[in-house]
Amino acid sequence: KQEVTQIPAALSVPEGENLVLNCSFTDSAIYNLQWFRQDPGKGLTSLLLIQSSQREQTSGRLNASLDKSSGRSTLYIAASQPGDSATYLCAVGRGSQGNLIFGKGTKLSVKP
Amino acid sequence: ETGVTQTPRHLVMGMTNKKSLKCEQHLGHNAMYWYKQSAKKPLELMFVYNFKEQTENNSVPSRFSPECPNSSHLFLHLHTLQPEDSALYLCASSQAAGVGETQYFGPGTRLLVL
Repeated sequence: KQEVTQIPAALSVPEGENLVLNCSFTDSAIYNLQWFRQDPGKGLTSLLLIQSSQREQTSGRLNASLDKSSGRSTLYIAASQPGDSATYLCAVGRGSQGNLIFGKGTKLSVKP
Repeated sequence: ETGVTQTPRHLVMGMTNKKSLKCEQHLGHNAMYWYKQSAKKPLELMFVYNFKEQTENNSVPSRFSPECPNSSHLFLHLHTLQPEDSALYLCASSQAAGVGETQYFGPGTRLLVL
C-alpha cells in the first residue's frame, strides 16, 4: 500500500530564507508526483506536476525534484515571502484514473 | 478562483438527517472527484467520475452516495452519517481522468455531524 510522508509537519522561517520541503513515498511505481498548496478556507492549488520520467520541474521561485528510485521528492522555495505561508501537500499519482495519494502536508509560516 | 465551486461551504447535520453537497465546475472538464480531508489525516480520494460514469469508488460506505448528472455537476448525497464523518469535503475536476492530468479543487464544504 502506497504511503506518503511529509517532513517536517510544520516549519517557521524568516522572510527571505530559502527552504526545502520533503516528501517520501513507499512504492516507487508512480505515474507522477504533484505539489499543492492549501490556504485556510480555500481548496488546493496545484503548484508543480512532475511526470515519472522527469527529474524536476520549475515555476518561478519553486523547484520540485523527483527521485523515484529512492522514493523522494523535494520542493525548494527560494527567497520565501509571507505570502508563501500555507500548507504544502505532496501527492503521488497512481492508477489510470488519476488517483492521488496525499501526504499530511507541511504547514509553512514565513515571518516578515 | 479555480473555476470549481462548492455549496454549501459549511454544513451542520444530525445523524438522522439527509443532506446533499453540490459541486459545479466551469472549466469544461470531463472528470470530477470527491475527496475527504479529516483532521490530522491525509486527503483521501472517495469517488471519480469520468464522462459522467463512476470509475472509482475507494471503498466508501454506502451512507455516501454520489451523483453526476452531467460533466459540470457532481453531488454527494449524505444520509445516516456518523460523527467521524465530520470533515472537509473537497471536489476537484480535470480535463479527463487520467495520468498527468492536473486537478483543480474547489474550496470545500466543512461538514459537522452531531
